[in-house]
Amino acid sequence: EDQVTQSPEALRLQEGESSSLNCSYTVSGLRGLFWYRQDPGKGPEFLFTLYSAGEEKEKERLKATLTKKESFLHITAPKPEDSATYLCAALTGGGNKLTFGTGTQLKVEL
Amino acid sequence: DAGVIQSPRHEVTEMGQEVTLRCKPISGHNSLFWYRQTMMRGLELLIYFNNNVPIDDSGMPEDRFSAKMPNASFSTLKIQPSEPRDSAVYFCAVGGDTGELFFGEGSRLTVL
Repeated sequence: EDQVTQSPEALRLQEGESSSLNCSYTVSGLRGLFWYRQDPGKGPEFLFTLYSAGEEKEKERLKATLTKKESFLHITAPKPEDSATYLCAALTGGGNKLTFGTGTQLKVEL
Repeated sequence: DAGVIQSPRHEVTEMGQEVTLRCKPISGHNSLFWYRQTMMRGLELLIYFNNNVPIDDSGMPEDRFSAKMPNASFSTLKIQPSEPRDSAVYFCAVGGDTGELFFGEGSRLTVL
């Protein structure tokens, strides 16, 4: 059975304090690793897709990287508006089925 | 932005009642997904449709749950009879072959 595990469950940072979120996966036939951001009371919003080990994607203060066993979401000099739950998901098999992790709840304080 | 519209946004009902959740995707995508989100289990895929045809319903918890997609612009998820353990946020999402999904804002269901 495909498994996606995220750590830590919750992370509190001071504004400007860089850190990384981890997503480890045990799946058969990874076709893509996805990162989403979810704000309270909203649906998840797509951030990145990574397809192969060594690939990196960047967007503002966020950078996602991928290895054969895990993905990291690096947050550089975070701001309070980066506070949200970050979800990763693995696309496997022949269909369009995404398996999600349970997320990391990030809070950035002034 | 696919602009997926879900209704109702909030529903409170009593155990044993029928619940119908609705999804209207505004833009054209060939796949539609129903997910359930709880604190304990996170986002779980219940069922997905491709070109209005159910492809994988292995995540549907039991026979009390059913989903339909009569056309490309409308889908329903029905729970009958509802139970307290069904309390969760239910999301509808649409996507294509890339795996990138566009989610609605969810329907928060509370079963008393």
